[in-house]
Amino acid sequence: DAKTTQPPSMDCAEGRAANLPCNHSTISGNEYVYWYRQIHSQGPQYIIHGLKNNETNEMASLIITEDRKSSTLILPHATLRDTAVYYCIAARNDYKLSFGAGTTVTVRA
Amino acid sequence: DTEVTQTPKHLVMGMTNKKSLKCEQHMGHRAMYWYKQKAKKPPELMFVYSYEKLSINESVPSRFSPECPNSSLLNLHLHALQPEDSALYLCASSHVTSVHNEQFFGPGTRLTVL
Repeated sequence: DAKTTQPPSMDCAEGRAANLPCNHSTISGNEYVYWYRQIHSQGPQYIIHGLKNNETNEMASLIITEDRKSSTLILPHATLRDTAVYYCIAARNDYKLSFGAGTTVTVRA
Repeated sequence: DTEVTQTPKHLVMGMTNKKSLKCEQHMGHRAMYWYKQKAKKPPELMFVYSYEKLSINESVPSRFSPECPNSSLLNLHLHALQPEDSALYLCASSHVTSVHNEQFFGPGTRLTVL
């Protein structure tokens, strides 16, 4: 699976959009981008995934660049409950996930 | 019921003890997973069961012995562990019906080996 690179941490203001970048420059054509998050003291939680088209669900939007070398997870209106570690994973499927270091997102009031 | 339950929540054991971790789900998932997570590190996949058969073992030492007695239950038997095995052990489950099968995680068992 392709390696992903994420900033170690970022802050965002409550009520504002949080844009989380992920670099996956060696991603292959059959690898998807998956996002999971882990709130403190809980197990990881699936957020969204995509191949090349932008995707949106009730939790977030995923924007993948045309060359697929990077992507951005957007939390449209961050709340304090969105404070978590966010993991970007490139994989052919989500049967065997390899979590990287992730981004620690802190939402501030 | 969209929950994965794990027992116990906390476990302290000596290096000569034998203990077991238990994971249960009632979502009809036929894939179940064990992950290990050290403090401030990401989860690391240990084992994957598919249709109650072991399909992936990520070169885990034999002192960790998984078992899937039925489609709802997953155990992790522990024997002769080392202090460096202290970690949060996470269980997850998912369908196996398509390429994308969201994994549902339990809250984990925090294990301390003395």
